Amino acid sequence: DTAVSQTPKYLVTQMGNDKSIKCEQNLGHDTMYWYKQDSKKFLKIMFSYNNKELIINETVPNRFSPKSPDKAHLNLHINSLELGDSAVYFCASSQDSRGGGETQYFGPGTRLLVL
Amino acid sequence: GNSVTQMEGPVTLSEEAFLTINCTYTATGYPSLFWYVQYPGEGLQLLLKATKADDKGSNKGFEATYRKETTSFHLEKGSVQVSDSAVYFCALSRQGAQKLVFGQGTRLTINP
Repeated sequence: DTAVSQTPKYLVTQMGNDKSIKCEQNLGHDTMYWYKQDSKKFLKIMFSYNNKELIINETVPNRFSPKSPDKAHLNLHINSLELGDSAVYFCASSQDSRGGGETQYFGPGTRLLVL
Repeated sequence: GNSVTQMEGPVTLSEEAFLTINCTYTATGYPSLFWYVQYPGEGLQLLLKATKADDKGSNKGFEATYRKETTSFHLEKGSVQVSDSAVYFCALSRQGAQKLVFGQGTRLTINP
C-alpha cells in the first residue's frame, strides 16, 4: 500500500484555468505538507497543516488554497493558473514535527505544466 | 535565517569510486539534519538523518556525521554503484518549525 499518494501524477492545463491536486496518507500522521520543486530541482515549503489546522503559509500567492478535510487528506487548489506555476508539487506527511527531528514521507509528486 | 548549502553538481563518478557530497548549514539553535534522495521520476526518500551533534546517520552504505563545530553534514559512501545515480538533498529542520529547509540538490551520476 502506498503511504503517501497524490493524484493526478501529471497535469497539463491552460493559463487561467483552476485545478486541484489531491493528497492522502495512510500512515496515521498528524502533519501534512505541500512543497514545490522548480525546474532547477529546488524544493521549497508552501504549506503545513497539523490536525487540519494551517501552521505554515510560506508567502504563497493567495491563488493557492490548501484544504484539509481530515488529517489524512490535504488537497491543493490553484486558481487562475500562470506559466510560473509549472513545477512538481510534492505532498508529504510526518508525525507531529514540532520536535524538529521527525522524518517526512513524500508522495510521488504531481507534475504540473501550464501552457 | 535558516539555510543549507550543498556542493554544486552535477557529480559524475565511476562505479566503486569514493563519494563525498558536501553540505553546510546555517541555523539558530540545534537543528536536525537529513539527507534525502530522489531517484528519476520519483518522490523523495529519507536516506539518513541525525538529530544532535556528533550523531552519525547511516543507511545503504552511506554515512554522514553531524558536526556542530563546522556546521556540516557531509554525505559519504566508500564504493558507489550505478544504482546510486540520483539527486541528493541535504535538509534541516528546527524544533518548532514544522518544515524542512532544503539545499539545492546535487545530481549524482555513476558510470559503469
